[in-house]
Amino acid sequence: SAVISQKPSRDICQRGTSLTIQCQVDSQVTMMFWYRQQPGQSLTLIATANQGSEATYESGFVIDKFPISRPNLTFSTLTVSNMSPEDSSIYLCSVVPNEVVYEQYFGPGTRLTVT
Amino acid sequence: AQSVTQLDSQVPVFEEAPVELRCNYSSSVSVYLFWYVQYPNQGLQLLLKYLSGSTLVKGINGFEAEFNKSQTSFHLRKPSVHISDTAEYFCAVRPQGAQKLVFGQGTRLTINP
Repeated sequence: SAVISQKPSRDICQRGTSLTIQCQVDSQVTMMFWYRQQPGQSLTLIATANQGSEATYESGFVIDKFPISRPNLTFSTLTVSNMSPEDSSIYLCSVVPNEVVYEQYFGPGTRLTVT
Repeated sequence: AQSVTQLDSQVPVFEEAPVELRCNYSSSVSVYLFWYVQYPNQGLQLLLKYLSGSTLVKGINGFEAEFNKSQTSFHLRKPSVHISDTAEYFCAVRPQGAQKLVFGQGTRLTINP
């Protein structure tokens, strides 16, 4: 398994500003993902964070809005840029430890409220 | 493409009663199947998974699920629920050969005393 921490755990931000969310894993992992969970809804994959290269975004998500970094095998950041109230969600980091492990492990999430 | 349908958005049950949370999926390729639980204000925790072999899989906290290939279902069951089982439950599939998880809409399980 993998132990994942996220910072901040929650934040209240004003529209038009940006917030960077950090994801730290206690061991090197093969793959890292960022998900969004809008209020009362399921999880939607934003992107796959690739180590040393640009993230791979899902349909409907763009790099200008959600820039992602992954400088090494244990750390990633997601920035929510130029926020609007529609960005109010829980953002979750997820990892697949290695190619032998089939399940994804999730961090505790960052609860973002945009006013 | 894959899709997951959780047929019940909310399931209220009394404590110590049995419960079944339904999950159906569609996929043009073989998939791995997962159930996750999300307790209030927490992240997701893996309950159980089906990769291959026996179609009845057992997970944590007394939960089990049965994979039915002909009906493309993966229903979650527990014979006797506890107040602490109150949570949101998500069914998810992952195509074999890929890493992306596709989630259902979730089922909110509420346990009444």
